[in-house]
Amino acid sequence: DGGITQSPKYLFRKEGQNVTLSCEQNLNHDAMYWYRQDPGQGLRLIYYSQIVNDFQKGDIAEGYSVSREKKESFPLTVTSAQKNPTAFYLCASSIALLYAGLAYEQYFGPGTRLTVT
Amino acid sequence: SQKIEQNSEALNIQEGKTATLTCNYTNYSPAYLQWYRQDPGRGPVFLLLIRENEKEKRKERLKVTFDTTLKQSLFHITASQPADSATYLCALLRGLDSNYQLIWGAGTKLIIKP
Repeated sequence: DGGITQSPKYLFRKEGQNVTLSCEQNLNHDAMYWYRQDPGQGLRLIYYSQIVNDFQKGDIAEGYSVSREKKESFPLTVTSAQKNPTAFYLCASSIALLYAGLAYEQYFGPGTRLTVT
Repeated sequence: SQKIEQNSEALNIQEGKTATLTCNYTNYSPAYLQWYRQDPGRGPVFLLLIRENEKEKRKERLKVTFDTTLKQSLFHITASQPADSATYLCALLRGLDSNYQLIWGAGTKLIIKP
């Protein structure tokens, strides 16, 4: 089956600890994205990547880091510098990076719910 | 800055009726709008895309309209079924220097009652 997998589904951490969320896709997509979803708010973009070894900050990158060493994988690290890390995190991919004139649907993983206490 | 507004209150519709959801945006017209469905605790699933030069798009029981004068997109589900109950998100393309990103509405929860 083609798709995006995220693991784990639920993650609990103590404040002050870094945590890494996994995202893998076998769709052969070039572009990958990380979003954060909080109740009553739209998805907010954390980081995105259009090719291996390249990634860009989104709107709320502070306190997060990513890597793109392989086309299939785009892990997100939530660092202790993120002031309010408890949220639902969604990874997505698309054939290519969005740009004017061409529109690509995004495929989402099942999400990871992170709780930091 | 570009903003999207979707009705934050849940929409309750009787089974068999048409459900209509609204997506309003501010500032400049986007190149296109996308609509997604999200079930509780799961990732969004793409439904439809409509471009700024298109008035209407259909897919089975779904229909999307795009009115650049009103700065609004409407999403319709005809002959609604309880299985259509979910949160529906709209997203529009925003230009950011040479890169473009989707910005998202918070979604409207749709409840179809049998």
